[in-house]
Amino acid sequence: DTGVSQDPRHKITKRGQNVTFRCDPISEHNRLYWYRQTLGQGPEFLTYFQNEAQLEKSRLLSDRFSAERPKGSFSTLEIQRTEQGDSAMYLCASSLGRTTDEKLFFGSGTQLSVL
Amino acid sequence: DQQVKQNSPSLSVQEGRISILNCDYTNSMFDYFLWYKKYPAEGPTFLISISSIKDKNEDGRFTVFLNKSAKHLSLHIVPSQPGDSAVYFCAANSNFNKFYFGSGTKLNVKP
Repeated sequence: DTGVSQDPRHKITKRGQNVTFRCDPISEHNRLYWYRQTLGQGPEFLTYFQNEAQLEKSRLLSDRFSAERPKGSFSTLEIQRTEQGDSAMYLCASSLGRTTDEKLFFGSGTQLSVL
Repeated sequence: DQQVKQNSPSLSVQEGRISILNCDYTNSMFDYFLWYKKYPAEGPTFLISISSIKDKNEDGRFTVFLNKSAKHLSLHIVPSQPGDSAVYFCAANSNFNKFYFGSGTKLNVKP
C-alpha cells in the first residue's frame, strides 16, 4: 500500500494555458474522487469515478474541466484556458467503494497557481 | 449549498485538556460521517467515522458523538496533545454517494 500519489505537487501557469494533473490511487481501490480546496475552505467535490465510469460531475465544474480514468486505474484532471479563479489545491482521493466503513484516502494534492 | 457546517474556524486548548470540535449538517439523508485531520501541505488523513445507527464511536483518545435529532456531531480529543494541532474537517454522505466536507476548524494545542 503506497498510498495515493499525485503529480505534480505544484504547478504555476499563466492565465489561458492548459494544465493536466495526474492521480494514482491505491491499487485495489475502485472509487476515485477529485476535490478542490481553497484557503479557509473545506474540500469541494468536483467529480468521482467507479472504476472507469464517471458517476457524477459537480455543477460547479465548467466545461473547461475534464477528468478521465482510463481502464479504471490512474486518473487525469485537465483544466483548459486556466483562469485566476482556478488557483487552488486539487486533491485526489480513492476508496474501496463499499457500502460500509467507507473511507477516503487522500493524496498530498497539487497546488495550482494561475498568474 | 453548505450541507455540512463547522461554525468555529479555530479552537485553542491547553495540552492535557479536552478538545471538542463541532459539526452541523442540514441533510437528514446523511447516514455516515467521518472526521479528517489535515496538516499544512498534506492531504487530509482519516481519523474516525460513525454510522447513523450509532450515537458514539471511540478510538483511543478520539470519540465522535452523533445527535441525529439535532443534526449535530462532535469530536472529542482527550487528552489533547501538541501534535494534535491541525485543521479538522467533518464529512458526511448518504446512500453511498459523494462526501460533503465542512470548512474546517483549526485546533491549536498549547504546551
